[in-house]
Amino acid sequence: EDQVTQSPEALRLQEGESSSLNCSYTVSGLRGLFWYRQDPGKGPEFLFTLYSAGEEKEKERLKATLTKKESFLHITAPKPEDSATYLCAVHSDRSYNTDKLIFGTGTRLQVFP
Amino acid sequence: DTAVSQTPKYLVTQMGNDKSIKCEQNLGHDTMYWYKQDSKKFLKIMFSYNNKELIINETVPNRFSPKSPDKAHLNLHINSLELGDSAVYFCASSRDRAETQYFGPGTRLLVL
Repeated sequence: EDQVTQSPEALRLQEGESSSLNCSYTVSGLRGLFWYRQDPGKGPEFLFTLYSAGEEKEKERLKATLTKKESFLHITAPKPEDSATYLCAVHSDRSYNTDKLIFGTGTRLQVFP
Repeated sequence: DTAVSQTPKYLVTQMGNDKSIKCEQNLGHDTMYWYKQDSKKFLKIMFSYNNKELIINETVPNRFSPKSPDKAHLNLHINSLELGDSAVYFCASSRDRAETQYFGPGTRLLVL
């Protein structure tokens, strides 16, 4: 069965303290890995899609990378406004024809001034 | 401009009632979805529609019935509401099947 595991469950950072969030996956064949940001009381907001090992995408202080077993979301010099829950999701060979996105349980990031 | 919108934003109701949640997208997408997010923030797909045709129907109780009057709308009707139905329900859409999904703001359902 396809599985997505995110760690840590929660992360507290001081403003400017860089760190990484992990998303490890066990799937029948990766078709795409997605990162979303979710603020309290709001819907998930799309950040990145990664398709193949070695691929990297960047947006402001965020950089997503992908290997054959996991993806990292690197946050460089975070600011308090980066505080949110970050969700990882995958499409696999098994889920592709059914459009099913498999989500992890998220990492809750808090950045303190 | 709101890309994916849902109404209502909050819904508080009694057990046994029937309620509907509406979703509309103005992105011109062909595929729409309903997700349920539980108290632990885990997102799980319930249904997906492509060009008004049901594609995914996960194991949800048949009290839940999606309806897609056209490609831009996907509504969720829930009969005989139970306490365990309390959750946040998200609508999403994608340009085509298995492409990046864009989510609405959510409907917070509380069943008393």
